[in-house]
Amino acid sequence: ETGVTQTPRHLVMGMTNKKSLKCEQHLGHNAMYWYKQSAKKPLELMFVYSLEERVENNSVPSRFSPECPNSSHLFLHLHTLQPEDSALYLCASSQEVVRGLDNSPLHFGNGTRLTVT
Amino acid sequence: TQLLEQSPQFLSIQEGENLTVYCNSSSVFSSLQWYRQEPGEGPVLLVTVVTGGEVKKLKRLTFQFGDARKDSSLHITAAQPGDTGLYLCAVSGAGSYQLTFGKGTKLSVIP
Repeated sequence: ETGVTQTPRHLVMGMTNKKSLKCEQHLGHNAMYWYKQSAKKPLELMFVYSLEERVENNSVPSRFSPECPNSSHLFLHLHTLQPEDSALYLCASSQEVVRGLDNSPLHFGNGTRLTVT
Repeated sequence: TQLLEQSPQFLSIQEGENLTVYCNSSSVFSSLQWYRQEPGEGPVLLVTVVTGGEVKKLKRLTFQFGDARKDSSLHITAAQPGDTGLYLCAVSGAGSYQLTFGKGTKLSVIP
């Protein structure tokens, strides 16, 4: 296993369901991120974790709940989502948290394509 | 948050042609990254530029950072179908965790 792995690749869920997205990185990185990619919009940063501590919550609704049990794993727990939450959810990691001139490059997973019906 | 404008939004060209895509901002940024996202995959970093006027080459790809560090361009020589994808530029602000992305240029290279 190399790089950043996301599961599942595709997910269809109803508005009342509860599901979780999983991300695992095998790069020994200290920072992990959740991004949302919607059609016709730039990539939107949702959450940032540095050494398992959340350092950024970018005004994300509470129906999205992240969890980082260790520096290699990141989860995004979903509940009572809306149809407008349908998007590609991308996990990324970097050696250190991206901050200003410290441009540790991001390594992305292939994403989970989420459809909320 | 710095707003990044990427142009063109879509580009469809024949194999062997040359092309240039652009990333512009009204603000100065300390560094800029270019990523390529192929269909069904996540973005992959191509290059980071940090110095105004800097030019970097990656095989048939040439990246330029504007002298004023407000803009950047990506030039592809003799495009190939494998170059097809979404090209994203991204910048970070000083002291911020936020890596701001543009909407991207969707490139299709037709065999």
